[in-house]
Amino acid sequence: GAVVSQHPSRVICKSGTSVKIECRSLDFQATTMFWYRQFPKQSLMLMATSNEGSKATYEQGVEKDKFLINHASLTLSTLTVTSAHPEDSSFYICSARDSKGTGKAFFGQGTRLTVV
Amino acid sequence: GESVGLHLPTLSVQEGDNSIINCAYSNSASDYFIWYKQESGKGPQFIIDIRSNMDKRQGQRVTVLLNKTVKHLSLQIAATQPGDSAVYFCAEYNFNKFYFGSGTKLNVKP
Repeated sequence: GAVVSQHPSRVICKSGTSVKIECRSLDFQATTMFWYRQFPKQSLMLMATSNEGSKATYEQGVEKDKFLINHASLTLSTLTVTSAHPEDSSFYICSARDSKGTGKAFFGQGTRLTVV
Repeated sequence: GESVGLHLPTLSVQEGDNSIINCAYSNSASDYFIWYKQESGKGPQFIIDIRSNMDKRQGQRVTVLLNKTVKHLSLQIAATQPGDSAVYFCAEYNFNKFYFGSGTKLNVKP
């Protein structure tokens, strides 16, 4: 079945540094990818929609300059958390939609970010 | 964003019993829905989907029911197994985005 690979699975960084998370669709092309954030025992909160070749669209309340999204190819989207602070610590999950095939959305395994 | 599944119940079932997990959605224009399973520390795993032109869809041990009149989805798991223990989310597709409900935690007792 369709696979979405997210890397890294865990990362610890110091306050003030930036962290990049990659999301790859391995066996299908994804013109659209989604980035979610999840707090413990809560649901997934949509942060932004990443569109290949164009700017990402962000949900209300999500800082564009804080969470930089790049979708340079049909199989890769990246999320960069800039100038990270402890409150950015969370579980970040990407999703890619097989828009040219089944239309289903598949998820990466998530990235646990801890800012110290 | 969209409002999907505002409740977060916990469902405990005995191994071998059938489980029913419910989800409410708010946007009547949504035309595609997916159920996901999420185990601790992992990303959501696709279970089954349904389009709005259907009322029911069956998979292996799972059935999804869609009631558009009351904007309600349910996931039925037959012969629930310990490996089914996880948090289950419904997701609604609208405005080219997927929005998630708050989830239901399923505990399967041996």
